[in-house]
Amino acid sequence: KNEVEQSPQNLTAQEGEFITINCSYSVGISALHWLQQHPGGGIVSLFMLSSGKKKHGRLIATINIQEKHSSLHITASHPRDSAVYICAVQKTSYDKVIFGPGTSLSVIP
Amino acid sequence: EPEVTQTPSHQVTQMGQEVILRCVPISNHLYFYWYRQILGQKVEFLVSFYNNEISEKSEIFDDQFSVERPDGSNFTLKIRSTKLEDSAMYFCASMTSGETQYFGPGTRLLVL
Repeated sequence: KNEVEQSPQNLTAQEGEFITINCSYSVGISALHWLQQHPGGGIVSLFMLSSGKKKHGRLIATINIQEKHSSLHITASHPRDSAVYICAVQKTSYDKVIFGPGTSLSVIP
Repeated sequence: EPEVTQTPSHQVTQMGQEVILRCVPISNHLYFYWYRQILGQKVEFLVSFYNNEISEKSEIFDDQFSVERPDGSNFTLKIRSTKLEDSAMYFCASMTSGETQYFGPGTRLLVL
């Protein structure tokens, strides 16, 4: 069983739409990460969360530790947001990152 | 902003050849990692390295793989005898204690 699951697997949105990507995990964690991967392949860290909510520009990430669930929201989506968004967890502060399968987002003008 | 760098960005090699992938982690970081991503699949952990030794390795990281920190700055992944299934994007990451992991841009390895 995968330790990190994401939904949806693929998502197409119209420019300006509010987008939500969900992540659930099955292990105890010290931190959850949201990462972005563009078609060129590079991985960029968006958020690292251990509780509550974080906001950066149009991106908002929330986590519910009791329910083992996190969401990534994108407000006023734009075609440049098109990428794969990956949820990943760490069991301890120094541990490897365990990656989810990713959600492929395409924002259409 | 400091960043993790990797060289080469792309490498094509023949099956059975040795390859060395190089990473320069962020200078004050202490924890180093290699991950790989086969095309169309999720990113998988290979190995973690701390205090000049391997702290954890995955089942993928068999005897064909080795890691080294030959000097104070570089962190290398060596594949001794490449196989077709080693074709993947390889990511290096580094971290200081309790902070987020910073990922390099990756090396795309193609084994023919």
